[in-house]
Amino acid sequence: DTAVSQTPKYLVTQMGNDKSIKCEQNLGHDTMYWYKQDSKKFLKIMFSYNNKELIINETVPNRFSPKSPDKAHLNLHINSLELGDSAVYFCASSLVLGQGPNIEQFFGPGTRLTVL
Amino acid sequence: EDKVVQSPLSLVVHEGDTVTLNCSYEVTNFRSLLWYKQEKKAPTFLFMLTSSGIEKKSGRLSSILDKKELFSILNITATQTGDSAIYLCAVARGAQKLVFGQGTRLTINP
Repeated sequence: DTAVSQTPKYLVTQMGNDKSIKCEQNLGHDTMYWYKQDSKKFLKIMFSYNNKELIINETVPNRFSPKSPDKAHLNLHINSLELGDSAVYFCASSLVLGQGPNIEQFFGPGTRLTVL
Repeated sequence: EDKVVQSPLSLVVHEGDTVTLNCSYEVTNFRSLLWYKQEKKAPTFLFMLTSSGIEKKSGRLSSILDKKELFSILNITATQTGDSAIYLCAVARGAQKLVFGQGTRLTINP
């Protein structure tokens, strides 16, 4: 069984379109994340949700909007796609334990987004 | 600004060699340092280090953290072609935030 899954795996679209990427985890984790990995393989956090509440929101354009319908899902919606949005987007999850979070994060397989 | 710097950025060695990958950091509210291996797809977890001077080992891989000098090393002995990957260092700061380094691309030639 896949622990953290993302759909689609590949997404090719035109500039200006709106698209969504879905993420689901079956690990029972409380916290989920979205990362962007650029062409130089640099992973940068975009958002973090804990029990459906936004707790980290890095400097990301307003065109990116995360949505968490429940704690097992965190979707990423992108409006008015631009060429610079082309990257691999990774979803991840981690378990929060009491006062100290278990910060080992489990990553999904990634979604390669290409904007033409 | 939080910074995690890995070196070298790229390393090519022969099978059987031993390699050492470096990670230095400047991060506020440090909680722990993590190493990940990324092959074709998602990063997979290797180690989490929270205490200085205590080596963590898993087979041919080992890692140690120096919180005074703000760095960590990842050693791989008797390398195999299957060790070829990007190795990512990340530092956890505050509540659940990971700051990643740029990665070291390791290539093991037969």
